[in-house]
Amino acid sequence: QQQVKQSPQSLIVQKGGISIINCAYENTAFDYFPWYQQFPGKGPALLIAIRPDVSEKKEGRFTISFNKSAKQFSLHIMDSQPGDSATYFCAARRGPSGSRLTFGEGTQLTVNP
Amino acid sequence: GAGVSQSPRYKVAKRGQDVALRCDPISGHVSLFWYQQALGQGPEFLTYFQNEAQLDKSGLPSDRFFAERPEGSVSTLKIQRTQKEDSAVYLCASSLGYKRGGPRTDTQYFGPGTRLTVL
Repeated sequence: QQQVKQSPQSLIVQKGGISIINCAYENTAFDYFPWYQQFPGKGPALLIAIRPDVSEKKEGRFTISFNKSAKQFSLHIMDSQPGDSATYFCAARRGPSGSRLTFGEGTQLTVNP
Repeated sequence: GAGVSQSPRYKVAKRGQDVALRCDPISGHVSLFWYQQALGQGPEFLTYFQNEAQLDKSGLPSDRFFAERPEGSVSTLKIQRTQKEDSAVYLCASSLGYKRGGPRTDTQYFGPGTRLTVL
């Protein structure tokens, strides 16, 4: 059962543009939604995370928008840079530490110079 | 920096061989997770330890997969009689662990993974 669906599968943007990646979830018990960034040959690294009691969280050029009623959340990367080229995964977790992360399928982002 | 380390980074095994993958979590981290990442896919949960106790092994795909963390620090994921479908990157993650009254956002820090190829 695919509990977290992510789109698009791949995304190409120009330097300075806005990258938008979307995720939808099914389990309403999820209460923590992180985004991870993964470079080739590396493990995923936490980028930004949100809890469902807020609709938006911004950290630098990265913003999460959260729509609880639609069970959707998205990552916006402003002023995209070639160094942002990586694979991005949304994830969801139910409960505190010790709970597994359920990941989306990933989005391969390419930012052209 | 003392991040999560994994060894070996690459492992090639012939079908039917046993393999052992090692994870060194961040010092002091109570929680340890193993995930399997197939090519072009997101990581999928395998198992979870809190200290030395394996509290969730529901993601292990078969009884050929076994994980341990005997002293509550280093963990080993063992795969017996490897099959071609076991080829994947195996990721280990650790986190501080939940403390009553503490923050509920407990970040999982991932290691670089071990890429297993079964021929």
